[in-house]
Amino acid sequence: TQLLEQSPQFLSIQEGENLTVYCNSSSVFSSLQWYRQEPGEGPVLLVTVVTGGEVKKLKRLTFQFGDARKDSSLHITAAQPGDTGLYLCAGAAYNFNKFYFGSGTKLNVKP
Amino acid sequence: DSGVTQTPKHLITATGQRVTLRCSPRSGDLSVYWYQQSLDQGLQFLIQYYNGEERAKGNILERFSAQQFPDLHSELNLSSLELGDSALYFCASRGGASFDGYTFGSGTRLTVV
Repeated sequence: TQLLEQSPQFLSIQEGENLTVYCNSSSVFSSLQWYRQEPGEGPVLLVTVVTGGEVKKLKRLTFQFGDARKDSSLHITAAQPGDTGLYLCAGAAYNFNKFYFGSGTKLNVKP
Repeated sequence: DSGVTQTPKHLITATGQRVTLRCSPRSGDLSVYWYQQSLDQGLQFLIQYYNGEERAKGNILERFSAQQFPDLHSELNLSSLELGDSALYFCASRGGASFDGYTFGSGTRLTVV
């Protein structure tokens, strides 16, 4: 059983479309991070959200941390083929020893 | 280059064998984490070391062990290998600040035949 559930598991869209990926849990996290992983490579950190209700923008990517710090979303505007990859959310336990990773959302943006 | 170095990049070995995966963390990072990623699955946490000491353990099999050396590099030892151990093994390091993210290496792809 995953502590963090991500949805959808797979997403295939056309270039220019918008999309939202969700990361949900019944647990409260001190912070939450989003990573993007390309095939054959390690995940790369995109953003860390810390405060409940926090919204962070990174160019066409918008990240939101839920008010109760149990969930998060990633919205991509006008998706491009370069956005293709596996998107992983990771929540930090309060002892900060480690982050718990979600199962990931595999995004494919077709030109 | 993320700053985390993993070797080898690829490894093919037979069932029953033993292998060692190596990781050098990013300069200045004291924590090293090992993760396993099977096909189409997320990252499964194996074990964490901080400055040479084991800090946290996840779903690590008894056939697997790890250590972190005084120079902070870490090794993950996998023994009595089974077909199901075929996976990508990632090492990540982390800074000391509470909200620091992981910096991952590019992984070792292990294939057990």
